[in-house]
Amino acid sequence: NAGVTQTPKFQVLKTGQSMTLQCAQDMNHEYMSWYRQDPGMGLRLIHYSVGAGITDQGEVPNGYNVSRSTTEDFPLRLLSAAPSQTSVYFCASSYSKGTPYNEQFFGPGTRLTVL
Amino acid sequence: KQEVTQIPAALSVPEGENLVLNCSFTDSAIYNLQWFRQDPGKGLTSLLLIQSSQREQTSGRLNASLDKSSGRSTLYIAASQPGDSATYLCAVGDEKLTFGTGTRLTIIP
Repeated sequence: NAGVTQTPKFQVLKTGQSMTLQCAQDMNHEYMSWYRQDPGMGLRLIHYSVGAGITDQGEVPNGYNVSRSTTEDFPLRLLSAAPSQTSVYFCASSYSKGTPYNEQFFGPGTRLTVL
Repeated sequence: KQEVTQIPAALSVPEGENLVLNCSFTDSAIYNLQWFRQDPGKGLTSLLLIQSSQREQTSGRLNASLDKSSGRSTLYIAASQPGDSATYLCAVGDEKLTFGTGTRLTIIP
């Protein structure tokens, strides 16, 4: 299994540009989520999904959009990039039906710089 | 709102020592507590998951305990090695995790 994969690894944007961060998992997990990691702030939840077609907001959702059309994929869209969105973005997945555990697995991250 | 605290922010110990990392949380009604390791510039690697009904979990030289009544968890690392140097994060929750800001551990050869 590849686990949780994210593309791209690095990205530089100009203010106002839009882009999509890709996330995919091959573990048949129901739950997927996006976090951002900033120095001194820890990881904060942006959006999450408990299944295909179901998404909800986390702690810091403004400026981001998500959709979940398949179990495997959970892309994160930046609508109009701002310097405050410079961060490292992590995708995570967890929970397979029929298992008692909800261990979360993380992707390698996308380092985004907005100029 | 759940808040998770990890103290100290940084810790240096000589190789071979046993050590304890601390994690505290404000809301004892948690589902799971998970410990992660993060190497510089890398993603998070899951170390141990403790379900709310459990008191501890062990994996190799690592042992994590959970005391919901006091809002505390500890990660015990036995016989530390230079390869254990990393940032250790604890997080509480279920499909949504609340993270501490981590303890940066340096093992001195």
